[in-house]
Amino acid sequence: EVELVESGGGLVQPGGSLRLSCAASGFTFSTSWMSWVRQAPGKGLEWVASVNQDGSAKYYVDSVKGRFTISRDNAKNSLYLQVNSLRAEDAAVYYCARAANWAWDYWGQGNLVTVPS
Amino acid sequence: QSALTQPPSASGSPGQSVTISCTGTSSDVGGYNYVSWFQQHPGKAPKLMIYEVSKRPLGVPARFSGSKSGNTASLTVSGLQAEDEADYYCNSYAGSKHFVFGTGTKVTVL
Repeated sequence: EVELVESGGGLVQPGGSLRLSCAASGFTFSTSWMSWVRQAPGKGLEWVASVNQDGSAKYYVDSVKGRFTISRDNAKNSLYLQVNSLRAEDAAVYYCARAANWAWDYWGQGNLVTVPS
Repeated sequence: QSALTQPPSASGSPGQSVTISCTGTSSDVGGYNYVSWFQQHPGKAPKLMIYEVSKRPLGVPARFSGSKSGNTASLTVSGLQAEDEADYYCNSYAGSKHFVFGTGTKVTVL
């Protein structure tokens, strides 16, 4: 059974940093593109970043470029999102998701990042 | 990259059909056959319902169908059931390995 379990969220002051983690199991992690998608409270979904199978190619939505870094450790079946210079508008539930067929077929349960305004 | 446009709400009685539109541009919806649809119940993670415009993942009922014409994609739920009440989001590939979601539609089963 495919499972994605996020961790690392919490309350962070504006300008602060956090590292989100996503532990994957039940599939061959090293052959899958992976992504982060976020959802601000009461708002819609927003694609944040994607990384290819070996971590050599990374893509970001414009609003987080230069502040967020997506990475992965295939030996640990883990995906990461380093978030720096946090702003109030970054407050959201962050989901990790497995990419397949130009969509995302498996999602984690979500991890809340709170940034007080 | 602007969000794709969806109607805020849609509704139907049990057994009826409801169709949700998702309007983008030639740079996203109109430019690629990589439109997907997600269902999200309150407090839950999104669930993939349609990918590549009209393909259904294993386990998704056949009453969910997708289509696209020009810059607008559509999701139709036929034979509406109580458990279909949820938020629905479209998503499209927008080139250069970037993706854009729709604004979301709340479906109510009357």
